[in-house]
Amino acid sequence: DQQVKQNSPSLSVQEGRISILNCDYTNSMFDYFLWYKKYPAEGPTFLISISSIKDKNEDGRFTVFLNKSAKHLSLHIVPSQPGDSAVYFCAARINNNDMRFGAGTRLTVKP
Amino acid sequence: KAGVTQTPRYLIKTRGQQVTLSCSPISGHRSVSWYQQTPGQGLQFLFEYFSETQRNKGNFPGRFSGRQFSNSRSEMNVSTLELGDSALYLCASSLEGRGQQETQYFGPGTRLLVL
Repeated sequence: DQQVKQNSPSLSVQEGRISILNCDYTNSMFDYFLWYKKYPAEGPTFLISISSIKDKNEDGRFTVFLNKSAKHLSLHIVPSQPGDSAVYFCAARINNNDMRFGAGTRLTVKP
Repeated sequence: KAGVTQTPRYLIKTRGQQVTLSCSPISGHRSVSWYQQTPGQGLQFLFEYFSETQRNKGNFPGRFSGRQFSNSRSEMNVSTLELGDSALYLCASSLEGRGQQETQYFGPGTRLLVL
C-alpha cells in the first residue's frame, strides 16, 4: 500500500530558480516527515525533517512545508543549484516506527 | 564521527545461493533498520533491530532474516536467492528508534546482483 506518494517522477528547473518537490500521504497517524536526497550508487542523505506539530521548517536553502489537513508536504529549494540534481525521497514515520518512502522525484537543475 | 558503513559494496551471486550483508551503525546508535531499493518498488522496509532484538518487520518472505550483535552491528541474510532479489540493500541507524522523533542515517548500500 502506497501510504506516501510522490506523483512527479521528475522535475527540471533552471539554476537560481525555485524547486518545489511535492509529497502526499494517506495515513493521518504519521507524526514525523523527512526528506532525503540520493545520488546514484550512494545511500540516501538526510536533508530536512518536520514534526507533525509544525507547519514549516527551514534550513538554509531548504524549507519543508506541512499541510496536515491536505496530507501534503513540500520541499522548496531556493535558489536551486546544479549540485542539487539528484533523486529526492520523502518519508514518513509513526511513533518512530519504520519509515515509509515515496517513489522519489528526480530533480535536474540546469545551468 | 564515522557514518554508517556497509560491506560489501557490491556482490554477485547465482540463484539458490545465500548471502550475508553487514552493517556497522554510527557510533552510539542502537537501532539498525534494513531497506531494499529496487527500480520498480522503491525503498521498502525489511526489518529493524534494537538491542539485539528484531523490533519491527516489513512484508518480506522468511528468506530474509537478520540479526544484531551486542556492539549494535547488524547482518542481513537472504537464503535461496531469486533473480528478483537483485537490489540495493540499505542499512540505516538511529539512536534509539523509539520515544522521540529521530532521523535515520543511511549507509552507502550493498548492490546485490543475482544471476
